[in-house]
Amino acid sequence: GENVEQHPSTLSVQEGDSAVIKCTYSDSASNYFPWYKQELGKGPQLIIDIRSNVGEKKDQRIAVTLNKTAKHFSLHITETQPEDSAVYFCAASMTGGSYIPTFGRGTSLIVHP
Amino acid sequence: EAGVAQSPRYKIIEKRQSVAFWCNPISGHATLYWYQQILGQGPKLLIQFQNNGVVDDSQLPKDRFSAERLKGVDSTLKIQPAKLEDSAVYLCASSPRFLGEQYFGPGTRLTVT
Repeated sequence: GENVEQHPSTLSVQEGDSAVIKCTYSDSASNYFPWYKQELGKGPQLIIDIRSNVGEKKDQRIAVTLNKTAKHFSLHITETQPEDSAVYFCAASMTGGSYIPTFGRGTSLIVHP
Repeated sequence: EAGVAQSPRYKIIEKRQSVAFWCNPISGHATLYWYQQILGQGPKLLIQFQNNGVVDDSQLPKDRFSAERLKGVDSTLKIQPAKLEDSAVYLCASSPRFLGEQYFGPGTRLTVT
């Protein structure tokens, strides 16, 4: 089955800095890669996703890049704000056949004001 | 629109007892998922429904876990009997279409003592 590795497990930055979270996956058939933000006591919230036919996608301060050859994808947050502090999860899955999304172990992002 | 609703939010039981969780997906969402999230890990898919049919339950421990989605709307997840290792947050998610983006509920935190 699919295996997703996520790094770092904890990331501490100053407000205004950029933050980068990296994930690797094992199954070359995976073609859908969502990122979720989970705040304390809440369920994960989809913040951005990318499909395998796209190399990069941006949404305001958030961007995701995908390298299918190397089987890794990254989340980039620019101009971080204290409200960005949360746990971020990457996931990988296939959009054909059985769809079993596999999540990384999460990255705790702390943005210091 | 209203989000995914789950109840109860918290539950404490003793091992070998039974427990049930309830989920009401976003109106019109045909696909429903149950995840188990152990502290410090990413969500792990337990079962996926499309309307009232099971699409995938390969990761559901069927000797003690069961789930149903009557009439293709609400769903219940049951554990009988519970073990200490079942302590986790149980998340429900729904999707407007098969293989689409997922919207998570707040989860039910289960503690088995």
